[in-house]
Amino acid sequence: DIPLTQSPSTLSASVGDRVTITCRASQSFDNWLAWYQQKPGKAPKLLIHKASILETGVPSRFSGSGSGTEFTLTISSLQPDDFATYYCQQYKTYLTFGGGTKVEIK
Amino acid sequence: QLQLQESGPGLVKPSETLSLTCTVSGGSINSRSYYWGWIRQPPEKGLEWIGSIYYSGSTYYNPSLKSRVTISVDTSKKYFSLRVSSVTAADTAVYYCARASYDYSIGYFDNWGPGTLVTVSS
Repeated sequence: DIPLTQSPSTLSASVGDRVTITCRASQSFDNWLAWYQQKPGKAPKLLIHKASILETGVPSRFSGSGSGTEFTLTISSLQPDDFATYYCQQYKTYLTFGGGTKVEIK
Repeated sequence: QLQLQESGPGLVKPSETLSLTCTVSGGSINSRSYYWGWIRQPPEKGLEWIGSIYYSGSTYYNPSLKSRVTISVDTSKKYFSLRVSSVTAADTAVYYCARASYDYSIGYFDNWGPGTLVTVSS
């Protein structure tokens, strides 16, 4: 499998901040990467697939970029509804999830 | 609108087999466009993919769990199931079933069930 490392594991930010989360691997998985948002007690919600394709209904303040071994999820202006945990997931070789990044209120 | 719902015992004894079912409504499992998967999340921890199945019955398992896991799909194509044998406390988790769309390999999960907590304890 392809282990994924997310950083940071926790991020403290304020409403309006620009936030960037990184997902890295030791081997390339091209751009076969998805991003999810999870709130406490809820199932994850798909935000982005194929590294940068935004799902229908996901606000445009979310964006994804990268290829190969390093990817980023950016929230251009953090909103109150965005405080949550974010996971990356590769799907080139089977499936693996990153360890998660908790975005908390500063 | 597609809905998935996990069901099964919330408490399983160590060394026994965990069995869960995912009922799909508002859509059909019998589609070439999707895979169907199981994911788990131990308390206060991250997500772990368990395995996925295609409507034809082809299965794909996490190598770390493969020896203990079986995923099957019902011939009526209304539900798919998970079995994990020889469970220990480390298998305590919220178990999710989900639909996967794919543009490569076995894809990404675009529709999830609410999850069900399974506790392994005597």
